[in-house]
Amino acid sequence: RKEVEQDPGPFNVPEGATVAFNCTYSNSASQSFFWYRQDCRKEPKLLMSVYSSGNEDGRFTAQLNRASQYISLLIRDSKLSDSATYLCVVNRSGYALNFGKGTSLLVTP
Amino acid sequence: DVKVTQSSRYLVKRTGEKVFLECVQDMDHENMFWYRQDPGLGLRLIYFSYDVKMKEKGDIPEGYSVSREKKERFSLILESASTNQTSMYLCASSIQGYNSPLHFGNGTRLTVT
Repeated sequence: RKEVEQDPGPFNVPEGATVAFNCTYSNSASQSFFWYRQDCRKEPKLLMSVYSSGNEDGRFTAQLNRASQYISLLIRDSKLSDSATYLCVVNRSGYALNFGKGTSLLVTP
Repeated sequence: DVKVTQSSRYLVKRTGEKVFLECVQDMDHENMFWYRQDPGLGLRLIYFSYDVKMKEKGDIPEGYSVSREKKERFSLILESASTNQTSMYLCASSIQGYNSPLHFGNGTRLTVT
């Protein structure tokens, strides 16, 4: 099983739609979880951390399910500017992070 | 705001050359990392460092070395560049502690011919 697995997509959704991504991880001892966003030819940027209790930031909601070892990202009311690749990130031993290969999202008018 | 600066945005080198990629961060972060990113393979960890003069191998350290003589600077060295090292190289930093996200530089696209 790969360390961090994501559906690569692409997810094509119309503006205003709700879209959800899931990500599974293999290391049950992982303690840190993040979603990053990466635009084409740009560096990854932190979108949000994922906490055990779940967390929300505007239109974005992240959830963690430790029992099933997956995290999710929900985007409500999608905007054209949400088009990007979304990277699921989980810590390995110590402070280094493992990145999933990303899920591509395209929001269309 | 955290700033991670990579010395070059684009580099073209010849096979066999020794290549230095420099990274500087201005937020006094303890941890620094080098990743490479390739289509279909995602980000892969090359080396990381938790403190000055300390280094740890990541998943793909072969053909690379690193240097961290000062806290703010972390250099990646390709001892003898090869064409399979053509890639996007991303430097990142973070503070100590769990739940500390990485802050990335804007990357160096290296082409080895």
